[in-house]
Amino acid sequence: EDKVVQSPLSLVVHEGDTVTLNCSYEVTNFRSLLWYKQEKKAPTFLFMLTSSGIEKKSGRLSSILDKKELSSILNITATQTGDSAIYLCAVADSGGYQKVTFGIGTKLQVIP
Amino acid sequence: DSGVTQTPKHLITATGQRVTLRCSPRSGDLSVYWYQQSLDQGLQFLIQYYNGEERAKGNILERFSAQQFPDLHSELNLSSLELGDSALYFCASSLSLAGGGEQFFGPGTRLTVL
Repeated sequence: EDKVVQSPLSLVVHEGDTVTLNCSYEVTNFRSLLWYKQEKKAPTFLFMLTSSGIEKKSGRLSSILDKKELSSILNITATQTGDSAIYLCAVADSGGYQKVTFGIGTKLQVIP
Repeated sequence: DSGVTQTPKHLITATGQRVTLRCSPRSGDLSVYWYQQSLDQGLQFLIQYYNGEERAKGNILERFSAQQFPDLHSELNLSSLELGDSALYFCASSLSLAGGGEQFFGPGTRLTVL
């Protein structure tokens, strides 16, 4: 069964700090790894990483996929209070059922 | 606003009952996904439909069923409800068949089973 483990579960930092969120996975047939940000309501898409695109960056956020270690990190630099959210990691399976498996998330709180 | 709509926003019902959750995908999106999110389980993939056909299945209980209609809206039917079915149910949509790309999530339906 596909599995995604995120760490830490919860994190409190001060504005301006840099944070690294971790995601490790087990999947039978890897298609992609996705990062989402969930504030009060629905998750919103951040990045998709694949075998052909192992590094993504958008503003202060960046993510790297390590296919050898079956893991990914999400970095946020110069954190702001608006970064406070739950960050979800998910892996998509390219096998027969094409499932998407989410981790339980990392809750990030940025305090002024 | 993702462009995905879900109704109702909140639903309170009793054990043993049956409910229907509705989702309208973004304009042009052919894939619809259903997820269940509870505090202890995180976001659980239930099922995917693409252009009216079931394409991927996750941890969906036999008491749950879904369908996608010709106008591409989808319904998730939950029957013989139990207390443990209380959760936030999300619908997401995407243009492509493959589930590994960007999905746009609706605001969710919060189901409370008493």
